[in-house]
Amino acid sequence: GAVVSQHPSRVICKSGTSVKIECRSLDFQATTMFWYRQFPKQSLMLMATSNEGSKATYEQGVEKDKFLINHASLTLSTLTVTSAHPEDSSFYICSARLEEGGANVLTFGAGSRLTVL
Amino acid sequence: GQSLEQPSEVTAVEGAIVQINCTYQTSGFYGLSWYQQHDGGAPTFLSYNALDGLEETGRFSSFLSRSDSYGYLLLQELQMKDSASYFCAVRDSTRGFKTIFGAGTRLFVKA
Repeated sequence: GAVVSQHPSRVICKSGTSVKIECRSLDFQATTMFWYRQFPKQSLMLMATSNEGSKATYEQGVEKDKFLINHASLTLSTLTVTSAHPEDSSFYICSARLEEGGANVLTFGAGSRLTVL
Repeated sequence: GQSLEQPSEVTAVEGAIVQINCTYQTSGFYGLSWYQQHDGGAPTFLSYNALDGLEETGRFSSFLSRSDSYGYLLLQELQMKDSASYFCAVRDSTRGFKTIFGAGTRLFVKA
């Protein structure tokens, strides 16, 4: 089946630094990927839609200059958290959509747990 | 906008049947999905309903009634490993067919 690889799985950084998270589709091409954010025991909140070869579209309230998304190829999307602060500590998960037999299926990466000190 | 409502927690015993309900409000409904997420893990796809009725996949079934904006996930023959969070999610045609998730239901399966 389709696999989405995401890394790093965990990252700890100092406040003010930037962190890059990579999301790769391993055995399929993904023209669109989605980035979600999840706080403990809460839902997945859609942050932005990453579009290959064009600008990402951000959800309301998500700072595009804070969360830089690049989708330079059909198999790679990156999320960079710039000038990270403790409140950015969260679980970030990428996903790609597959249409399987008419079903709308999101395949998720394993997630990246960011801790900002 | 859209919203989804599902119970925050459900507890059941091993071997039992449990139903997790989900009601939704959305401008451009384009399908209801269910995902399972274990603590610390990524969500995994369980089921999808675009049309009214019941979809069965092994021990898991999902139901949709578009006229009632309602669906449910049915888990049969519960096992301890089913303890996880379950999210309903809708795809919204008015928002670029993005998938929006409910708050999740934590299922605790007891021996």
